[in-house]
Amino acid sequence: DTGVSQDPRHKITKRGQNVTFRCDPISEHNRLYWYRQTLGQGPEFLTYFQNEAQLEKSRLLSDRFSAERPKGSFSTLEIQRTEQGDSAMYLCASSPGLAEGGNEQFFGPGTRLTVL
Amino acid sequence: GIQVEQSPPDLILQEGANSTLRCNFSDSVNNLQWFHQNPWGQLINLFYIPSGTKQNGRLSATTVATERYSLLYISSSQTTDSGVYFCAVLGGRRALTFGSGTRLQVQP
Repeated sequence: DTGVSQDPRHKITKRGQNVTFRCDPISEHNRLYWYRQTLGQGPEFLTYFQNEAQLEKSRLLSDRFSAERPKGSFSTLEIQRTEQGDSAMYLCASSPGLAEGGNEQFFGPGTRLTVL
Repeated sequence: GIQVEQSPPDLILQEGANSTLRCNFSDSVNNLQWFHQNPWGQLINLFYIPSGTKQNGRLSATTVATERYSLLYISSSQTTDSGVYFCAVLGGRRALTFGSGTRLQVQP
């Protein structure tokens, strides 16, 4: 499978705990994005990496959220001191970033987070 | 930021019927994508179509960038077409802005 992969697929945690999600983009895609989707809504942008550099962060990304892409390959998204409002589907996407069609984004299966 | 509106919000069809989904956006865009979200939440790429017309089997899409809208046509619908269809655009930033989706239910 050469698509975007995410791990875990489901996470249930208690309020106040920390959680970390992983995303592996399509090989050689240099752009990586994190989005969040709540029930009945379209995905909303959280943050974006070009290689290892985090170039843009949404206002949705509070100081409890941190994302890394240390070697320009996989990325992690950590949520500290989770709140019930963090319950959502967290989606990762990647794009080639080069040449024609370089802006087309491809999405992973998502990590569904439930905070009790 | 850029606004994306999709219509209709909900659509129920009988198997075999045709349908047209619409996406309006508020500013010029560098990219427009149509996705189908299946019941498990996976976003499946349908079209990358910043302008012009493309076809893929029973699906086709047209984007008129100068008038700021895109249309997704589904012909001879099947029950497997059920799900949520999203339009998403890339404006001046690198991230996609999504509409609220059209929820399609195809009945046998």
